[in-house]
Amino acid sequence: EDKVVQSPLSLVVHEGDTVTLNCSYEVTNFRSLLWYKQEKKAPTFLFMLTSSGIEKKSGRLSSILDKKELFSILNITATQTGDSAVYLCAVSTGTASKLTFGTGTRLQVTL
Amino acid sequence: GAGVSQSPRYKVAKRGQDVALRCDPISGHVSLFWYQQALGQGPEFLTYFQNEAQLDKSGLPSDRFFAERPEGSVSTLKIQRTQQEDSAVYLCASSLAVWSGDEQYFGPGTRLTVT
Repeated sequence: EDKVVQSPLSLVVHEGDTVTLNCSYEVTNFRSLLWYKQEKKAPTFLFMLTSSGIEKKSGRLSSILDKKELFSILNITATQTGDSAVYLCAVSTGTASKLTFGTGTRLQVTL
Repeated sequence: GAGVSQSPRYKVAKRGQDVALRCDPISGHVSLFWYQQALGQGPEFLTYFQNEAQLDKSGLPSDRFFAERPEGSVSTLKIQRTQQEDSAVYLCASSLAVWSGDEQYFGPGTRLTVT
């Protein structure tokens, strides 16, 4: 059975801190790993990673994948209160590209 | 429309009632997925359509759950004889094509509460 595990489950930081969110996976027929941000509505896409060692970056967010050790990290630098959300990691598998999600990391950024 | 839309946004059903949840994917998107998200959990895969063909329904939890996409665009997820354990947010996602990448765009979800 495909499995995606995220850690920590929740995190409280002060504005300006840097955070690292972790995602490990154990799946068959790996295609890609995706990160989503979920506030009180639809998950919004952040990154898709397919190759090991290549960092993807968007503003203060960055992510990297290690296909040998089967994990990915999502970094957020200089956190802001607007970064408060649940961050979901998902792995796409098989020909249909269905997503298997972790339980998410709930990030709260305080002033 | 600009994004994936779902209706209704909220649904309260009495146990035993049937419900129908609608998803309008992004125009032209070939692939459509349904996920179920329980409180405090990540979304879990229910079923997948490529155009009108339902190619994977391995995640449907019981034969009370049925999904269709008859014209390859709008999809409906139907739950018969709802039970309390069906209470969850039902998310729909679409992607442009099967082979062009895996980025799925999600709708806002339908929150179903079974009382």
